[in-house]
Amino acid sequence: SAVISQKPSRDICQRGTSLTIQCQVDSQVTMMFWYRQQPGQSLTLIATANQGSEATYESGFVIDKFPISRPNLTFSTLTVSNMSPEDSSIYLCSVQTGRSNNEQFFGPGTRLTVL
Amino acid sequence: RKEVEQDPGPFNVPEGATVAFNCTYSNSASQSFFWYRQDCRKEPKLLMSVYSSGNEDGRFTAQLNRASQYISLLIRDSKLSDSATYLCVVNCADSGAGSYQLTFGKGTKLSVIP
Repeated sequence: SAVISQKPSRDICQRGTSLTIQCQVDSQVTMMFWYRQQPGQSLTLIATANQGSEATYESGFVIDKFPISRPNLTFSTLTVSNMSPEDSSIYLCSVQTGRSNNEQFFGPGTRLTVL
Repeated sequence: RKEVEQDPGPFNVPEGATVAFNCTYSNSASQSFFWYRQDCRKEPKLLMSVYSSGNEDGRFTAQLNRASQYISLLIRDSKLSDSATYLCVVNCADSGAGSYQLTFGKGTKLSVIP
């Protein structure tokens, strides 16, 4: 599996501000994704980060709130914009290496608390 | 109806016990199936893929029943280190994100007790 790192690992932010989360992979990967895991809940896909084009967002998530970049095959960012306490969550990036069976591997996550 | 359903538990079992988790999924077009484990405050980690013929990896056995849309995970000889939340994950091939989107169950919590 790929080695995935995320920065920051955690942050506490004020309402109305924005935070950009970085995801770095140690090898080129075909697919990168961003998920959210709210307290006591399972993972929800926010969007697929497409290299060289706009991200594909899932129902309930929009680009203005969660802009995503993917400048190359090893790196992506997710911005949480104009934050409110409801955005407090763990944000995880994942990758699919394309080797077999659609398995995905996750980064360590970013724990965000919005005051 | 939820897409992937699991018994949330918790399952509290003694060391050495055998424990089974079940999962049902609603999308009959699903093609890939997985069990992930998630430790407290950590990311999910792939435990094993689930194949149609069933598969085993050491103390772990996964089964798939496509007709009943049902997946199971059996853990034999439970260890303290098996304590975690086990997530049933299904690839819904006809989703908007194409064949890559995974749908996660809420997880089943396992505590193995000394």
